[in-house]
Amino acid sequence: AQKITQTQPGMFVQEKEAVTLDCTYDTSDQSYGLFWYKQPSSGEMIFLIYQGSYDEQNATEGRYSLNFQKARKSANLVISASQLGDSAMYFCAMRGPFRGGYNKLIFGAGTRLAVHP
Amino acid sequence: DAGVTQSPTHLIKTRGQQVTLRCSPKSGHDTVSWYQQALGQGPQFIFQYYEEEERQRGNFPDRFSGHQFPNYSSELNVNALLLGDSALYLCASSFRDTQGETQYFGPGTRLLVL
Repeated sequence: AQKITQTQPGMFVQEKEAVTLDCTYDTSDQSYGLFWYKQPSSGEMIFLIYQGSYDEQNATEGRYSLNFQKARKSANLVISASQLGDSAMYFCAMRGPFRGGYNKLIFGAGTRLAVHP
Repeated sequence: DAGVTQSPTHLIKTRGQQVTLRCSPKSGHDTVSWYQQALGQGPQFIFQYYEEEERQRGNFPDRFSGHQFPNYSSELNVNALLLGDSALYLCASSFRDTQGETQYFGPGTRLLVL
């Protein structure tokens, strides 16, 4: 069965420092996608970064990078130069193909990040 | 370029009642997915609509039903509400259903069942 595991319920980091949020996944599919979303207290899920299973290079989007280690089935999110506005819940998610369709996202339990001044 | 919108933002219902939640997808998107997020948990997939049909469904009872309109907007209906249905309901839109296609989420509807 497909599964996403985020083992860090909470993390804190000093402003301007880098932080790594862990994510491991389990799937028997060869083709899949991995996503990271940020959820502030307002509730909206904000897309941060995407990594395809066949992408050879790690994805980067501004201060966000995804450390993709396929053999270890890990997809850790690295946030560089943390800002106070980065304080939020962060979710790792995986997508298809599941049972013939790409349809759904499977989410981990999330990691709450607190950025301290 | 408007993002995904949802209404209402908050809703309070009592057990046994029925509720309808609404979602308008991001401009250019034709696929709508619904998720339920209980407090302290990650979102759980309810179902997805494409071309006005339900494409795939998660492990939710038939009390949860939906609809997609020709303009791609969507409704989520929940009948015979239970206390356990209290959650944040998130709508996500995407274009088609291709590998790697990103789902963009709306602000959610917070449902409280008393």
